[in-house]
Amino acid sequence: QITLKESGPTLVKPTQTLTLTCTFSGFSLTTSGVGVGWIRQPPGKALEWLALIFWDDDKRYNPSLKSRLTITKDTSKNQVVLTMTNMDPVDTATYYCAHRRRAAVGNDYWFDPWGQGTLVTVSS
Amino acid sequence: DIQMTQSPSSLSASVGDRVTITCRASQSISSFLNWYQQKPGKAPKVLIYAASSLQSGVPSRFSGSGSGTDFTLTISSLQPEDFATYYCQQSYSNPAFGGGTKVEIK
Repeated sequence: QITLKESGPTLVKPTQTLTLTCTFSGFSLTTSGVGVGWIRQPPGKALEWLALIFWDDDKRYNPSLKSRLTITKDTSKNQVVLTMTNMDPVDTATYYCAHRRRAAVGNDYWFDPWGQGTLVTVSS
Repeated sequence: DIQMTQSPSSLSASVGDRVTITCRASQSISSFLNWYQQKPGKAPKVLIYAASSLQSGVPSRFSGSGSGTDFTLTISSLQPEDFATYYCQQSYSNPAFGGGTKVEIK
C-alpha cells in the first residue's frame, strides 16, 4: 500500500522560503519509472502542478514558477523535499505530494495516490 | 505549455441524472488525459486514466471518452456520493490540470 504525507510549516512570512517534505512508503524512488509530484490548491481554487522528480533524478518544474522552485529526493529516507523561495500571500494554498503512477505499457501516467495535503498560509 | 479548459465550471443536477463534463486541450494530447474527483477537504482521487480506463475500485457509472483535444467524463446515473469537484489533467507533457467542474445538488 502506497502512502504519502506532507509536512512543513503552516505559516510563513512574505519573502521567506518555504520548505515542505513528502514522506512516503510502499514504493521506492530508485525503481525505474517512479516519480513524485507536488501540486497545490489555493482555497476555493483549482489544482496547480508545481514540480516532479523521477527515479533517475530528472526534475521538471512548472515554467511559471520554475525560478522559485527546487525539488530534491532522499532515497534513504523515502522523502522528497520542495523548496519555494520568495513566498507571497498569493502562495497561500494546500500543498499536496502525489505518487506518479505509470502505465504498464506506454508512457501514460497519473497521480495516485495523493497525500492528505498541508495548508500553508503566507502572512506577516 | 498545454492549457486545459473544462466546461461547465459548475452544474446542478439531481440524483439519477446523466452528467457530462467536457475538457479541451490547447493542442492534441492523444489519449493522455486523466480525470480526478475531489470532495471538500480531501485530496483528489483518480477516476479515469488514459482517457477511458477506469481506475480499479471506481464505479462503472463513471466513463471517459475522447482523444486529440476533446474529452468527456460521463456519470451515467448521478449518486449522492458523486457531488464533488472534477478535474481533468493531461499527461502528454508536463502535467496540467483543468479549472475544475463543481457538481452540485439541484
